[in-house]
Amino acid sequence: QSALTQPASVSGSPGQSITISCIGSTSDVGGYNYVSWYQQRPGKVPKLLIFEDSNRPSGISDRFSGSKSGNTASLTISGLQAEDEADYYCSSYTSSRIVVFGGGTKLTVL
Amino acid sequence: EVQLVESGGGLVQPGGSLTLSCAASGFTFRSHWMHWVRQAPGKGLVWVSRIRSDGGYTSYADFAKGRFTISRDNARNTLYLHMNSLGAEDSAVYYCVRDRSAITGTAGDNWGQGALVTVSS
Repeated sequence: QSALTQPASVSGSPGQSITISCIGSTSDVGGYNYVSWYQQRPGKVPKLLIFEDSNRPSGISDRFSGSKSGNTASLTISGLQAEDEADYYCSSYTSSRIVVFGGGTKLTVL
Repeated sequence: EVQLVESGGGLVQPGGSLTLSCAASGFTFRSHWMHWVRQAPGKGLVWVSRIRSDGGYTSYADFAKGRFTISRDNARNTLYLHMNSLGAEDSAVYYCVRDRSAITGTAGDNWGQGALVTVSS
């Protein structure tokens, strides 16, 4: 049950767009439409941003978007804001009928 | 308002056992999959286990198989995680998480504040 692979850190300036990748395999990311993305601000509990690859829960800004190509899922944040500085995690359902998280990506807004 | 309140965390000796509870309110508990997710201090999220809305199906991360048991009482709107043979590597904040669905069980849309478990002698 290997964790999904995310970059340890990404950064961007206010107003820019950034993309965080989440690399899995055909047994998880590439095999199902069940990738989720979470935001965790310092000292806070995680918040669901994206479910089922590209769907946003109600109340989540459309600046957050999810996509997938093959075994790689991506989270794009457009119009970067200072409040977006946080840790971001992807997760996926797997062929073992469990859920696995990525290692997390720290986003720094310059 | 959805509320998930964990309890039962604390200090436990290596090899010991502990049961976490999660009291749910503000939604129809019996209609949602539920998960436990843990996070060691300064580390990332790690999925632990999930249980179907009717309690009839469960699954576990490899490290939890045979040591942890997830269960639920839909009459009491409560989720449980019983943990045995605890080691230092199990020290973490344990989050109770509501899944957004009664069907898929793959995305947590509401998280409790967490219960801290510390395994130490």
